[in-house]
Amino acid sequence: GNSVTQMEGPVTLSEEAFLTINCTYTATGYPSLFWYVQYPGEGLQLLLKATKADDKGSNKGFEATYRKETTSFHLEKGSVQVSDSAVYFCALSDSGGSNYKLTFGKGTLLTVNP
Amino acid sequence: EAGVVQSPRYKIIEKKQPVAFWCNPISGHNTLYWYLQNLGQGPELLIRYENEEAVDDSQLPKDRFSAERLKGVDSTLKIQPAELGDSAVYLCASSLGVSSYNEQFFGPGTRLTVL
Repeated sequence: GNSVTQMEGPVTLSEEAFLTINCTYTATGYPSLFWYVQYPGEGLQLLLKATKADDKGSNKGFEATYRKETTSFHLEKGSVQVSDSAVYFCALSDSGGSNYKLTFGKGTLLTVNP
Repeated sequence: EAGVVQSPRYKIIEKKQPVAFWCNPISGHNTLYWYLQNLGQGPELLIRYENEEAVDDSQLPKDRFSAERLKGVDSTLKIQPAELGDSAVYLCASSLGVSSYNEQFFGPGTRLTVL
């Protein structure tokens, strides 16, 4: 079945540091890939997505590239801010282009200190 | 525009008691999802509705869990009776449809504690 593996947290960085959160997946077919973010006390929000190999999703300074050859979708940001402190979830959808059944990783807690 | 609304935000009950969670999706969103999120885990789909119809309930433990979406808008998820292992966060999400172009919007969740 489908699965998503994220690097375990927590991750603690200083402001303006470079961020990488690793994500690899196992899936049949050609899934779409997503990063969701959950700020304290709030629901999950879609951060970025990519629907086919070599696509790059980007938003709010975050980027992730769909790498089919390594089955990876690593999240990166060049300079993190305190406001980026949150839990980040990598996810994939069933093949066929529908997003109705998302499979999530366990989440990675990021804390950014001033 | 209001987001997905869930209530209550927190619920503490004793085991064997019933409990219900309510969700109001974003206006116009035909697709509604209930997810279960255990501590330290990602959300797992319990059930998906298209309008009033439950089109995927394969992960819903039907011996104690039930859900309904009357009139295709609000939805209620019920557990009866609750067990200690049901302590988790229950998330509701909605979307315009089920293609990969339709983002799922999540509510803040209901945190259930079963004592």
